[in-house]
Amino acid sequence: SQQGEEDPQALSIQEGENATMNCSYKTSINNLQWYRQNSGRGLVHLILIRSNEREKHSGRLRVTLDTSKKSSSLLITASRAADTASYFCATASNYQLIWGAGTKLIIKP
Amino acid sequence: SQTIHQWPATLVQPVGSPLSLECTVEGTSNPNLYWYRQAAGRGLQLLFYSVGIGQISSEVPQNLSASRPQDRQFILSSKKLLLSDSGFYLCAWSGQGRITNGYTFGSGTRLTVV
Repeated sequence: SQQGEEDPQALSIQEGENATMNCSYKTSINNLQWYRQNSGRGLVHLILIRSNEREKHSGRLRVTLDTSKKSSSLLITASRAADTASYFCATASNYQLIWGAGTKLIIKP
Repeated sequence: SQTIHQWPATLVQPVGSPLSLECTVEGTSNPNLYWYRQAAGRGLQLLFYSVGIGQISSEVPQNLSASRPQDRQFILSSKKLLLSDSGFYLCAWSGQGRITNGYTFGSGTRLTVV
C-alpha cells in the first residue's frame, strides 16, 4: 500500500536553482526517509528524519518534517545535472517502509 | 562493508515460463530482506519480506513466490509467468529491529514477459 504522496509529480528547473519536493502521509510514523532513483537503477537512501526532529541537513539536502501536518519537504540547493532522478519519500513504522509514488526531477543545463 | 547483489539485470521470458531471481547480501547477518516491484514511472509495491530463514510474508496475492534458503539469500520465483508480471524488480535489505532505519537496494532486474 502507499501512504506517502509526493508533490509535484514532475519538476523541471534550471541548473543552479533550488528544487523543492513535498511528501504527505496519513498515519503516525517513526521516521520518514527520502530516496533517489536514477533511471533504470535501484534506489539510494538520501536522508532520514525521525519523528521527533523538525529539520535535517546533509550536504545540499535539507529535509523538514511537520508531524502536525503529516508532511515533509526535501530541498535540493544549487541543483546540478546529476540531480536529475526520481525522488521518493517513505514512512517507517515497525519493520517496513510505505512508499510514495515519487517526484521526477529534471535539471536543465 | 555491506553489499547487495541482484541478478540478472535484464530478463526477457516467454509467457508460461518459470522465473528465478536471486538476491544476496554480504557483510551483515540476519538482515530483513524485501522484494519490490515497480511499474514504469510508478512507486514501489512490496511483494514479499522476510525477517529470517524460511520466514516469508506475502503482501500481495499473485503469481509469484519467494524463498529464503539461507540467511543472506532471497529468491523470487514463478512457476508460470504472466504478461502482467513484467516490471522492474528490486531487492532490498535492512537491519533487524522494529524501527526501519533505511533500506539498501540492489540494482534491480528489468523483467519483460513476451
